[in-house]
This record gives sequence, structure tokens and C-alpha cells, in this order.
Amino acid sequence: DIVLTQSPGTLSLSPGARATLSCRASQIVSSHYLAWYQQKPRQAPRLLIHAISMRANGIPDRFSGSGSGTDFTLTISRLEPEDFAVYYCQQYASSPITFGQGTRLEIQ
Amino acid sequence: QVQLVQSGAEVKKTGSSVRVSCQASVSGDTFNTYSFTWVRQAPGQGLEWMGGIIPISGFPNYAERFQGRLTLTADESTRTAYMELNSLKSDDTAFYYCARGLSSYSIYPSLESWGQGTLVTVSS
Repeated sequence: DIVLTQSPGTLSLSPGARATLSCRASQIVSSHYLAWYQQKPRQAPRLLIHAISMRANGIPDRFSGSGSGTDFTLTISRLEPEDFAVYYCQQYASSPITFGQGTRLEIQ
Repeated sequence: QVQLVQSGAEVKKTGSSVRVSCQASVSGDTFNTYSFTWVRQAPGQGLEWMGGIIPISGFPNYAERFQGRLTLTADESTRTAYMELNSLKSDDTAFYYCARGLSSYSIYPSLESWGQGTLVTVSS
């Protein structure tokens, strides 16, 4: 199984700041099959990024994804109040699909 | 975007079974050729992939830890996917989500549309 490790566990920032979230895989994630999701309390996850860097429909351009191989990054260029949530990475290159444990982005 | 509507919360006894439904607001090939994936989330915990099915194939794919206990099906006539989990244990207490894949014919997709989640509570 591909294990995804996200860091940091919690990130405390202020609105307007830049957020950088990391996702490291235990094996190379082939074919760019790496996605990012946002989850707010009492809501289902929402797809932000697929194929490492492709924004999903309706996702603002302040969200960007990058990386390759085993190291991936989600960047939020200028935090808006609605961006404070939990973020998960997911690999869908091989079975079983796996998720990282999540990064909680909280207001400082 | 596809809307997925799941059935309501369930309270079950240990050792029993639960069936959760997920109805999609699409029809035809847009139902049949996209994976319906099931993901669960225990209270306060992360996301866990359970398995998926592409309706047109009829062959589900299960996470190893659920083999023998999980059954995924899909019914084109009602545009509904189903998840049935047997031999319930207390640590099966979780929100269960269905999600539709972004790309057609991919059994391991990124997940574009999500249902609202169904809370299954298991107790003795």
C-alpha cells in the first residue's frame, strides 16, 4: 500500500497569509494520480486538485498543486476566511486508494 | 456537477448488517460508466477507502480489509448505488460517503462529487 504522510498536522495562519501543505508518499505515485480535498466540519470532502496540479471545476485560482514522484504540495496563495478547514491528499494510482491523515488549517 | 443523495442515518446492533443507498441525478452513460466509490470516516478521524464499482462492468473492487464483509452494487434503472456491510462491529461506527469518480471507466479515480454522508452507529 502507498502510505501518504501529510505535514504539518496543524497549520496556524492568518487570513491573507500563504499556506503550504505537504504530502509525502512511501512510493512513487505514478501517472500523476494525486489529488487534494478540503473538508469543513459536518460536510463531505470537496475535490480541489486532481492530477497533481489540475484545479477542479469552480475552484479559485488561489489554490494550486505541485510536485512529482513522492513529494507533493498544496499551496493557498492568500488565505480567505472560508479556507480554514482540514485538507487531505489522496493517491489513486494503485489499489488500495489511500488518503493522508490530514492537515488542519486553523486561524491564528 | 452530479448530485448524490444518500439514505438516512442508521443505528445497528453488533453482528447485524447495514445497507446505504446513493442516488445520482444523472442517467444513461453518465451513470453507467463512472465509478461509485465508498469512503468512510470514523468520528474525528480521517478518510478510508472501502471500494468502488463501475455500474456497466458489474465488478466491484474492494479494499482487502473489507473483503468478505462488503458488497457494492449499482442499479441503472433507479440510478442508485448501494453499499452493504455485514457483521458490524462497534468500530464500524462512522460516516459513510459515496462519491463519483471524475473520469469515466476509472475504477481508481479522484472523487469529484460526494453524497452528504450517512452516519452508521453500531452498538451492542
